[in-house]
Amino acid sequence: QKEVEQDPGPLSVPEGAIVSLNCTYSNSAFQYFMWYRQYSRKGPELLMYTYSSGNKEDGRFTAQVDKSSKYISLFIRDSQPSDSATYLCAVISGYSTLTFGKGTMLLVSP
Amino acid sequence: DAGVTQSPTHLIKTRGQQVTLRCSPKSGHDTVSWYQQALGQGPQFIFQYYEEEERQRGNFPDRFSGHQFPNYSSELNVNALLLGDSALYLCASSLGASGGALNEQFFGPGTRLTVL
Repeated sequence: QKEVEQDPGPLSVPEGAIVSLNCTYSNSAFQYFMWYRQYSRKGPELLMYTYSSGNKEDGRFTAQVDKSSKYISLFIRDSQPSDSATYLCAVISGYSTLTFGKGTMLLVSP
Repeated sequence: DAGVTQSPTHLIKTRGQQVTLRCSPKSGHDTVSWYQQALGQGPQFIFQYYEEEERQRGNFPDRFSGHQFPNYSSELNVNALLLGDSALYLCASSLGASGGALNEQFFGPGTRLTVL
């Protein structure tokens, strides 16, 4: 079983839609849960992270962790064409090394 | 602040050759991590350098080696290239700390390696 599982998509939505991106993880010891955004031909950039369980909101983005079910979610409200990118979930272990999911490609059409 | 820079941008090699990729960390950062991202996959951790030593290593063979210089820049070397080594190689820098603490990693744009 992979440490982090993520549906690769692609996920195609119209502008203004609410987007839900999800991952599952296997090791209950993980404490930090990250979401990265990667545009084509660029390196990943940190979007937001949560520590332990709960929600965290930043503008149109909400990250959610349910440790009981080992489930990580990212919600995007009022999605924009500029949100079109690959979204990668990740967990941290060791010396802040990242274990990523496969990434979900999101396409937001005008 | 230039952020994390990597060179070259693209590289084409043939099987069996050797390659060296370079990374300059973000100003003030002392830790460099390398990741391999195959097409359609998430990045996979190769190794991390801190204080010029390999501090942690992922599940990659010894053909993959690295180095960190006193100015914190780093090199990734891959020997005896295989077709399967074709990927985007990402460098990430951070400020070193003890294990378990969150230290945000900033990624460079990557080097696209194609092995023919």
